Amino acid sequence: DAGITQSPRYKITETGRQVTLMCHQTWSHSYMFWYRQDLGHGLRLIYYSAAADITDKGEVPDGYVVSRSKTENFPLTLESATRSQTSVYFCASSLRGDQETQYFGPGTRLLVL
Amino acid sequence: QKEVEQDPGPLSVPEGAIVSLNCTYSNSAFQYFMWYRQYSRKGPELLMYTYSSGNKEDGRFTAQVDKSSKYISLFIRDSQPSDSATYLCAIPDPSASKIIFGSGTRLSIRP
Repeated sequence: DAGITQSPRYKITETGRQVTLMCHQTWSHSYMFWYRQDLGHGLRLIYYSAAADITDKGEVPDGYVVSRSKTENFPLTLESATRSQTSVYFCASSLRGDQETQYFGPGTRLLVL
Repeated sequence: QKEVEQDPGPLSVPEGAIVSLNCTYSNSAFQYFMWYRQYSRKGPELLMYTYSSGNKEDGRFTAQVDKSSKYISLFIRDSQPSDSATYLCAIPDPSASKIIFGSGTRLSIRP
């Protein structure tokens, strides 16, 4: 019963490098989400996906790319990491969108030097 | 103005105290209201889910919604050190398939 997992849990990278954060869920939920959490800003939605091959921008999408070729996976790529992308990243999934409960992964702590 | 506003705290109270956590929202179309709890270095998890005005009780936790004032509250009775966490209010946006989260209130219960 893995639920929703994220990898890596911790990552240190340098400015300008490409970084991919992985998210995998075992529930066959249709919706998946990527958030970043920073002090003073709470959870901010980066991208979300309603189904495989369907993605949409959230509140803070700039500098990020997502894909969803399979229902269970939703990787988030920082194409050229910047220091402002230092944050804790959470992946979440839900059976449907809007009123449905979202289930969160354990998070990835990313430090960009 | 943010759609959902929440006092970030931190809030520190002695064990056994009644805790009140609050959020305000701006969109009168919001109908569902949630509270998530997030322990340190963990992902948020749903604590309570309410629809419409009034109170909903679950053990030591009571969620209250006042739609006329656009105000939601979470009360914790007989608070325990294990309740120490960040509490986030969350409101599904009916116009989009997403949830708007408050910034979270960090709560510490002193033994």
